[in-house]
Amino acid sequence: GNSVTQMEGPVTLSEEAFLTINCTYTATGYPSLFWYVQYPGEGLQLLLKATKADDKGSNKGFEATYRKETTSFHLEKGSVQVSDSAVYFCALSDRGGGTSYGKLTFGQGTILTVHP
Amino acid sequence: DTAVSQTPKYLVTQMGNDKSIKCEQNLGHDTMYWYKQDSKKFLKIMFSYNNKELIINETVPNRFSPKSPDKAHLNLHINSLELGDSAVYFCASSQDLGTSLETQYFGPGTRLLVL
Repeated sequence: GNSVTQMEGPVTLSEEAFLTINCTYTATGYPSLFWYVQYPGEGLQLLLKATKADDKGSNKGFEATYRKETTSFHLEKGSVQVSDSAVYFCALSDRGGGTSYGKLTFGQGTILTVHP
Repeated sequence: DTAVSQTPKYLVTQMGNDKSIKCEQNLGHDTMYWYKQDSKKFLKIMFSYNNKELIINETVPNRFSPKSPDKAHLNLHINSLELGDSAVYFCASSQDLGTSLETQYFGPGTRLLVL
């Protein structure tokens, strides 16, 4: 079956530090990959996505590249801000049919705290 | 204008009770989902509906019964609540089930606490 593994958290950084959150996946087919973000007390929002190998998704200074050879989709940001404090979820979307259609499989989430 | 809304936001109840959570989306999407997030933030899909038809039904106790009166609404009814049902329940919607490219839009969550 499909699975997503993220680096263990929580991650604590100072403002303007470089961020990397690792994500690797296992999929039976050729999935699309996503990063979702959950700010405190809110629902999830799509941060960025990539649909095929070597695609780079980017948004709000965050980037992630779909690496098929290493089955990875690591999230990076060059300079984090206090407002980036949130829980980050890596996810994949199954392109298979039947009961897997449209299903998002999430990693376990990584809590990021950024201090001033 | 909230795209995906859920009610109630908080729900505290006793074991054995029956409760419902309502979800509505005003995005004109065809597909709606229910997810459960446990205390460790792990998020897992429970159900999905496309145009009022059940598509995904993960291994969820049959005490949980989704109901979709129309494609803008997907409610979740839970019978005989148990302590382990305490979690945050998220509703989500997407435009087209037929492609994995579509983004899912999440509601703000319903925090359920079973005492």
